[in-house]
Amino acid sequence: LAKTTQPISMDSYEGQEVNITCSHNNIATNDYITWYQQFPSQGPRFIIQGYKTKVTNEVASLFIPADRKSSTLSLPRVSLSDTAVYYCLVGDSSGTYKYIFGTGTRLKVLA
Amino acid sequence: NAGVTQTPKFQVLKTGQSMTLQCAQDMNHEYMSWYRQDPGMGLRLIHYSVGAGITDQGEVPNGYNVSRSTTEDFPLRLLSAAPSQTSVYFCASRDLAGSSYNEQFFGPGTRLTVL
Repeated sequence: LAKTTQPISMDSYEGQEVNITCSHNNIATNDYITWYQQFPSQGPRFIIQGYKTKVTNEVASLFIPADRKSSTLSLPRVSLSDTAVYYCLVGDSSGTYKYIFGTGTRLKVLA
Repeated sequence: NAGVTQTPKFQVLKTGQSMTLQCAQDMNHEYMSWYRQDPGMGLRLIHYSVGAGITDQGEVPNGYNVSRSTTEDFPLRLLSAAPSQTSVYFCASRDLAGSSYNEQFFGPGTRLTVL
């Protein structure tokens, strides 16, 4: 199972772009990279998923370099409501469906 | 759709007591899972299931039992509760046949305290 490594915490100010990088050196060929967001006292919520290059949706962008050993979640113009924990998850393509969450990155957005 | 529902929301147990945390989903998802989240920590996978009658162990299965008799329900049983099992428990489900390979839908959680 590919293990992920993320910064433990980050601070940002409202209106700034935030980039959170996740390292996954042992990612398998067929693994997808998925990011979740978790607010206090709630379950995680799916944000975005990608396999390679760049993926964008209404919430975030996901950048994946050619070697796929890392990925970067980009949140444009964050607001106070983006304060949350962000988890990077590497999909289990081996078929065992054993999805392992890392420790996540605690993002605090300041006014 | 109600999505993923969990009951109870809160529970206090004494050491040695048993109980079952309930999880249900109405999305006809084949895959269901249980995670625990200790204060200030990430989620750890307890057990998961890829369909009725099929379950498997996650990272921290000891002290917990599961069964999957229907697609909709995936109860988590604590046979003899211990203070180390004090945590927030999340249930999740996902569609194995869908295009979003890893999108799991999470329930609101059950906050369990074992005294």
